[in-house]
Amino acid sequence: EVQLVESGGGLIQPGGSLRLSCAVSGFSVNTNNINWVRQAPGKGLEWVSVIYSSGSTYYADSVEDRFTISRDNAKNTVDLQMNTLRVGDTALYYCARSAGGTYPFDYWGQGTLVTVSS
Amino acid sequence: IVMTQSPATLSVSPGERATLSCRASQSAMSNLAWYQQKPGQTPRLLIYGASTRATGIPARFRGSGSGTEFTLTINSLQSEDFAVYYCQQYHLYWTFGQGTKVEFK
Repeated sequence: EVQLVESGGGLIQPGGSLRLSCAVSGFSVNTNNINWVRQAPGKGLEWVSVIYSSGSTYYADSVEDRFTISRDNAKNTVDLQMNTLRVGDTALYYCARSAGGTYPFDYWGQGTLVTVSS
Repeated sequence: IVMTQSPATLSVSPGERATLSCRASQSAMSNLAWYQQKPGQTPRLLIYGASTRATGIPARFRGSGSGTEFTLTINSLQSEDFAVYYCQQYHLYWTFGQGTKVEFK
């Protein structure tokens, strides 16, 4: 059974850092693309970042230079290191799989909530 | 690629047809997906490749279009179909539309 389980969310002050983790079961993170998608309270979906099966990484402009995506093949996890957090980064963060380079997101986790507030 | 959905809200009675539109700022070819999200739930993939239903999706959901203009049609709306629907292009990275809420009329 395919499962993606996010963890690491919480309340953090502006300017702070947080590391999210996505634990995957049912497939290997090193043969699939894993994305992070966020949803601010009451708002729509925003793609944040991807790590391709090749290891290449890409980011939305809104998080470029502040967020870093990485993976641990042995643990079958994908992390999102978030630095210099802003109030506007407050959202539910989902990890989601896309099976290839030009594929939609077929499996999603339940999300982890990040709240940036003083 | 910027995705624009219309309308923002669609009021429909059960049994009626709902027609949702999605426009891309540049061609997405047929690399277009539709998702359904109910309150408190994770988005669910409905349609990919602009017109192919995902596994387990009822035939009343129909996707069409290519390039920059796409449509999701929900025939004979059921009570469980009231939700927010997002289009997503995956031709150049991934971007979502802002969503269309299908509400009870």
